[in-house]
Amino acid sequence: AQSVTQPDIHITVSEGASLELRCNYSYGATPYLFWYVQSPGQGLQLLLKYFSGDTLVQGIKGFEAEFKRSQSSFNLRKPSVHWSDAAEYFCAVGSMNYGGSQGNLIFGKGTKLSVKP
Amino acid sequence: EAGVTQSPTHLIKTRGQQATLRCSPISGHTSVYWYQQALGLGLQFLLWYDEGEERNRGNFPPRFSGRQFPNYSSELNVNALELEDSALYLCASSLWGNEQFFGPGTRLTVL
Repeated sequence: AQSVTQPDIHITVSEGASLELRCNYSYGATPYLFWYVQSPGQGLQLLLKYFSGDTLVQGIKGFEAEFKRSQSSFNLRKPSVHWSDAAEYFCAVGSMNYGGSQGNLIFGKGTKLSVKP
Repeated sequence: EAGVTQSPTHLIKTRGQQATLRCSPISGHTSVYWYQQALGLGLQFLLWYDEGEERNRGNFPPRFSGRQFPNYSSELNVNALELEDSALYLCASSLWGNEQFFGPGTRLTVL
């Protein structure tokens, strides 16, 4: 079955510390992978995406993620967290193949990030 | 460039009523997706429209329905509202084969 697992429900880090949010997926087809961020009561903002090519992808706000096919993982990282990064982060997988696409994204349950001053 | 817009921002209904939620995609996008984000249930896919046709639907009862208009905007209708329909409803748009961009959502409260 297709699924996305984010093992950490809630993470707290100090401002200026590094961050890694974990994401594992199970997907039969070639996966297209995404990280979104959601502030309270808001919609989702796309941080970064992986379609193909270089397995280390750069996104907005200083985030990056690394696709590891052998581990079925797509972990999100940031070298130095800012207080404004406090939000909920969602990993998602989808198939964007024309014709065969189901269209929808499959989301993990999310990881809530708190930032200590 | 304007992003995905949704209306209304908040909607309060009582059990048994009908709710209509609206979504305008990013200009040029032909696909619209609807997701439900209910407390404790995460983000669940509802419906996908492209070029005016329903392409796929998630595991929701038929009282969840919608349509896409010629200008690619979309509406989601929820009939016979139940308490558990209370959630944030998110709309996203894309060009088929590309990433989805989300709107701010409509908060539906069923009393």
